[in-house]
Amino acid sequence: DTAVSQTPKYLVTQMGNDKSIKCEQNLGHDTMYWYKQDSKKFLKIMFSYNNKELIINETVPNRFSPKSPDKAHLNLHINSLELGDSAVYFCASSQDGRGPADTQYFGPGTRLTVL
Amino acid sequence: SQQGEEDPQALSIQEGENATMNCSYKTSINNLQWYRQNSGRGLVHLILIRSNEREKHSGRLRVTLDTSKKSSSLLITASRAADTASYFCATGQTGANSKLTFGKGITLSVRP
Repeated sequence: DTAVSQTPKYLVTQMGNDKSIKCEQNLGHDTMYWYKQDSKKFLKIMFSYNNKELIINETVPNRFSPKSPDKAHLNLHINSLELGDSAVYFCASSQDGRGPADTQYFGPGTRLTVL
Repeated sequence: SQQGEEDPQALSIQEGENATMNCSYKTSINNLQWYRQNSGRGLVHLILIRSNEREKHSGRLRVTLDTSKKSSSLLITASRAADTASYFCATGQTGANSKLTFGKGITLSVRP
């Protein structure tokens, strides 16, 4: 059983398009995250939600909008895609997330390529 | 700003040898975690060490933490080809809603 799943695994699209990435966790965790990993493998947090409430919002262009319909799902919508958005996007979850950083469980990643 | 910095950036060893990877950080932390990432996969949590702990073991893994030097090391003993991966340290700061800040990672190659 997959603990944290993401769809799609690969996403190839043209500049200017709008796309979404979906994430689901079946661990019963309260907090979910989105990370961006660039071509040099540097991993940077973008957002986190705790029980559908936004708690971390890093300096991310407002073309990126997370949506959490319930605590098991956190989707990432990206408007007007740019070449620089090409990266691997990881979803993660943790048990709590309201205190000091806890162990996080990562999804398999979505490789986004903007042409 | 980036918190954890690992060194070396790349390490190549022979199967059976030990691999030591280091991580330094800049600010006070609540805990430090190590993750592994196999090529094309997500990160997998290996071990978490809290700021009041000095050493922790898990199977072939040994992690040390020196808060006075703001550094940690990950030792993998008797390495195997399957240990080939990227290894990341991540620091969890104190305080509410704390995030994990990841280093750039170390690429470990274990030659059979």
